[in-house]
Amino acid sequence: EVQLVESGGGLVQPGGSLRLSCAASGFTFNIHWMSWARQAPGKGLEWVANIKPDGSEEYYLDSVKGRFTISRDNAKNSFYLQMNSLRVEDTAMYYCARDVGDNSGWYGFDPWGQGTLVTVSS
Amino acid sequence: DIQMTQSPSSVSASVGDRVTITCRASRGISTWLGWYQQKPGKAPKLLIYTASSLQSGVPSRFSGSGSGTDFTLTISSLQPEDFATYYCQQAFNFPFTFGQGTRLEIK
Repeated sequence: EVQLVESGGGLVQPGGSLRLSCAASGFTFNIHWMSWARQAPGKGLEWVANIKPDGSEEYYLDSVKGRFTISRDNAKNSFYLQMNSLRVEDTAMYYCARDVGDNSGWYGFDPWGQGTLVTVSS
Repeated sequence: DIQMTQSPSSVSASVGDRVTITCRASRGISTWLGWYQQKPGKAPKLLIYTASSLQSGVPSRFSGSGSGTDFTLTISSLQPEDFATYYCQQAFNFPFTFGQGTRLEIK
């Protein structure tokens, strides 16, 4: 069974840092782009970042550039989101997801993990 | 960034009804569009990719169409388990962006 499991969420003060992890199983991890997305309480979905299979390319939402860093460890079938200089507006459920597509482009995200909640508050 | 606008924001319907949700992109995205279903407290689920391709395991009552800037998701005969929020998402370029969601409620 293809599965993604997030961990690392919690309560952090504004300006603080948090590192999210996503453990993958049930598929060949090192051939897939992987993404983080988020959903603020009661709001819609927002893509945050993704990373190439070999880790050589990364893309970010403008509002997190310079503050968040995505990385991966293919030996551990895991990828991560290091979040620094956190703001109240970063409060959200954070989901990890597998990018799906082919050489011509991206199709979307499938599956998604169950999410880990990040709350930024003083 | 490409803006995605869904309509309506919410819709009430009955079991057995046919429902159509629309999604408009602020500029052309060819057919690089996906549709997701999200139930309360759960992660989103990919239903449709490249505008009209049905993801494996998704019932055939779901269908998608469109290209360029205008897209639709149709549920041909609503089932009780279909009441949820639906999102479109463009995969044409970064940053990938989602519509604001359409909440499908029981009438």
